[in-house]
Amino acid sequence: QKEVEQDPGPLSVPEGAIVSLNCTYSNSAFQYFMWYRQYSRKGPELLMYTYSSGNKEDGRFTAQVDKSSKYISLFIRDSQPSDSATYLCAMTNSGTYKYIFGTGTRLKVLA
Amino acid sequence: GAVVSQHPSWVICKSGTSVKIECRSLDFQATTMFWYRQFPKQSLMLMATSNEGSKATYEQGVEKDKFLINHASLTLSTLTVTSAHPEDSSFYICSASGRTMNTEAFFGQGTRLTVV
Repeated sequence: QKEVEQDPGPLSVPEGAIVSLNCTYSNSAFQYFMWYRQYSRKGPELLMYTYSSGNKEDGRFTAQVDKSSKYISLFIRDSQPSDSATYLCAMTNSGTYKYIFGTGTRLKVLA
Repeated sequence: GAVVSQHPSWVICKSGTSVKIECRSLDFQATTMFWYRQFPKQSLMLMATSNEGSKATYEQGVEKDKFLINHASLTLSTLTVTSAHPEDSSFYICSASGRTMNTEAFFGQGTRLTVV
């Protein structure tokens, strides 16, 4: 079993839809959870950074962490064609920079 | 967020030659830098972790003599792919983190290496 599981997609949605992206993990020691957006042939760009459980909102993006279920989510409201990219979840233990990445979910927002 | 610059963004080299990729933190001191490799439609796989002034720590299965990492200053790390072969063709990405950044790390834009 991989430490971090993420559905690779692709996920296609119409413009304006609410998108839900998810990751599950097995290591209960993970404390920091990140979501990155990666456009084709580019490096990942940090979208959201969350410590421990709870919700965090930034504009159209909301990150949720449920440590009891070992499940994290990223919601994108009012999705736009420019949101079309691969979204990677990443997580790490407290005090370490060694990230474990999910495989990434390819999202396509159709105009 | 902090800026990490990676150079070159793409490179084509002949089999058997060596290629150097640079990773620079532009507006912060990067105490730790990471090198990843990403194959098409796959996730990032950590190759090695380097702390400024010390030897890099390589992940299992990564050949340290083939992938030479130098982190001689707080703003620069280099990855040299020695005696490159076509199977080394991949997307190489660095990330960097500083002392005051908790566990946040910022990524460079990546380098696409093609070995012919």
